[in-house]
Amino acid sequence: DAMVIQNPRYQVTQFGKPVTLSCSQTLNHNVMYWYQQKSSQAPKLLFHYYDKDFNNEADTPDNFQSRRPNTSFCFLDIRSPGLGDAAMYLCATSRDLGIYGYTFGSGTRLTVV
Amino acid sequence: AQRVTQPEKLLSVFKGAPVELKCNYSYSGSPELFWYVQYSRQRLQLLLRHISRESIKGFTADLNKGETSFHLKKPFAQEEDSAMYYCALIIQGAQKLVFGQGTRLTINP
Repeated sequence: DAMVIQNPRYQVTQFGKPVTLSCSQTLNHNVMYWYQQKSSQAPKLLFHYYDKDFNNEADTPDNFQSRRPNTSFCFLDIRSPGLGDAAMYLCATSRDLGIYGYTFGSGTRLTVV
Repeated sequence: AQRVTQPEKLLSVFKGAPVELKCNYSYSGSPELFWYVQYSRQRLQLLLRHISRESIKGFTADLNKGETSFHLKKPFAQEEDSAMYYCALIIQGAQKLVFGQGTRLTINP
């Protein structure tokens, strides 16, 4: 089945130690998104790639960066994780504006110790 | 401001009873609205979108521009409907899907 795959499912990292989360898709969608979801809160968009164009949300901390080396893969890099960055990170894809809906991965739960 | 409001964090109904999950939006243009659902230990998935005017798993949602609402309804709730439901709006131009706070629906046997 075509889908969005996130690895790892659970990630534990040390305070201040860089960490990378990965996302891959087999849908050939041209847009990929990263959302942060904290406990009991709605998913919050961090940034997205429209094709190769990177679009950062204004309130996304500089600590968060992303790479998209090709259509299928997208990475979320957290340069110096703090305790407040512990959350579920969701990757999603869409075709163009997303009016047909977004497809989400299962998420990576990040714990910072 | 462009936002989605789901006034109920929790909603509990009995099996077989009607269900209505409320969603109101604030948007200056023509809205593209969706309902997403997250069952326990599963990924967030699209339930339905207003442009399709479809019924999925017995759920329907009608866009009411006068009341700026997009409530989700089902005439007879089933236990498998228990899940977290998010109403969402696409901010066109910004290429952004904005979610409401979500409503946790529990169907009691």
